[in-house]
Amino acid sequence: TQLLEQSPQFLSIQEGENLTVYCNSSSVFSSLQWYRQEPGEGPVLLVTVVTGGEVKKLKRLTFQFGDARKDSSLHITAAQPGDTGLYLCAGGGFKGQNFVFGPGTRLSVLP
Amino acid sequence: NAGVTQTPKFRVLKTGQSMTLLCAQDMNHEYMYWYRQDPGMGLRLIHYSVGEGTTAKGEVPDGYNVSRLKKQNFLLGLESAAPSQTSVYFCASSYRGLYEQYFGPGTRLTVT
Repeated sequence: TQLLEQSPQFLSIQEGENLTVYCNSSSVFSSLQWYRQEPGEGPVLLVTVVTGGEVKKLKRLTFQFGDARKDSSLHITAAQPGDTGLYLCAGGGFKGQNFVFGPGTRLSVLP
Repeated sequence: NAGVTQTPKFRVLKTGQSMTLLCAQDMNHEYMYWYRQDPGMGLRLIHYSVGEGTTAKGEVPDGYNVSRLKKQNFLLGLESAAPSQTSVYFCASSYRGLYEQYFGPGTRLTVT
């Protein structure tokens, strides 16, 4: 069974600060996705990374896939209250048809 | 397009009662999924379907059954509800496996 760990579990910061959250596993994934979930809603896809070492940027968000495809990070620059939410990573296997989700990092950005 | 819709949004059941959750998608996606989300445990896959008329077990299938009689609908059934099934249930769909998943708004189920 492929397992994903996310750290930190909770993070509360002030508007304008930078932060990084992590997604780690002992397993190798074919691809990795990051989702953001707001209260009372379903998760929404932010990005998919598929190549080891890949870096993708989405405005103030920077995503990196580890060289060995076992881990990933999400860096947010100058966080805003609108970034508040639960950030989930999900790893895809090589043979399976499904993603395995991590437990999430709950981010709160205070104005 | 409505995307993925789920009914009902909230439900309270007594132990032993049965119910069916309905998921509908209008994106012509082949794959559909049912997840449950519990605090600190992320999303866990219950059952999934890779096309009309097919179903398969996920990580936590016990106590649940599913059916995919029409491509756009995926039903999740609880035959005899237990308190351990108190959770938020999400349906999702995707074009193919390992593609972007589109999630519904969730159903909050409480079993007393």
